[in-house]
Amino acid sequence: KAGVTQTPRYLIKTRGQQVTLSCSPISGHRSVSWYQQTPGQGLQFLFEYFSETQRNKGNFPGRFSGRQFSNSRSEMNVSTLELGDSALYLCASSWKQGRTDTQYFGPGTRLTVL
Amino acid sequence: QKEVEQNSGPLSVPEGAIASLNCTYSDRGSQSFFWYRQYSGKSPELIMFIYSNGDKEDGRFTAQLNKASQYVSLLIRDSQPSDSATYLCAVNMDTDKLIFGTGTRLQVFP
Repeated sequence: KAGVTQTPRYLIKTRGQQVTLSCSPISGHRSVSWYQQTPGQGLQFLFEYFSETQRNKGNFPGRFSGRQFSNSRSEMNVSTLELGDSALYLCASSWKQGRTDTQYFGPGTRLTVL
Repeated sequence: QKEVEQNSGPLSVPEGAIASLNCTYSDRGSQSFFWYRQYSGKSPELIMFIYSNGDKEDGRFTAQLNKASQYVSLLIRDSQPSDSATYLCAVNMDTDKLIFGTGTRLQVFP
């Protein structure tokens, strides 16, 4: 069974631009969660989607948004990029809603904001 | 107080020794606890999860949970250089969020 895939793997943007990242979960998984990982803050929860609905949200500004499609694929968007948004963005999928279920991570998208 | 705390390390142990990694959490209502391993430049991969008090063993790995004291630990027996990585503790809080610690870097030297 194929793992979680994320595209693109690397991205360089400038301040003020916006970016869209994509995540395809493991086949059959309906929950997708997004995380931001930085050296100083570690892994920070962004949001979770299940059956096309956002089920939970972390403490990030409204510039960070996401959506999930009927095939469970998910995208996250960051608008008006800031230098501090430079990070590794990870998505993780699981079979059911909520994080008591085991999450499987994708390889991540490394975003650099100049 | 951080919700999930880990010593950042590095924790250095010789090959063949037992590595002990610790994690404390703040939410008494937490139900599920996970250990992930993350190699440099890679994404986290699940090692073990534990839900009940006590020990859970899987090969060279043992997870220990003490809900009364609000800590969870991971023991790695017969440590190998290939175990050198950052180990992330994750706790499912009562709010249904999975909160990660900042990780402990483990170095196993030959």
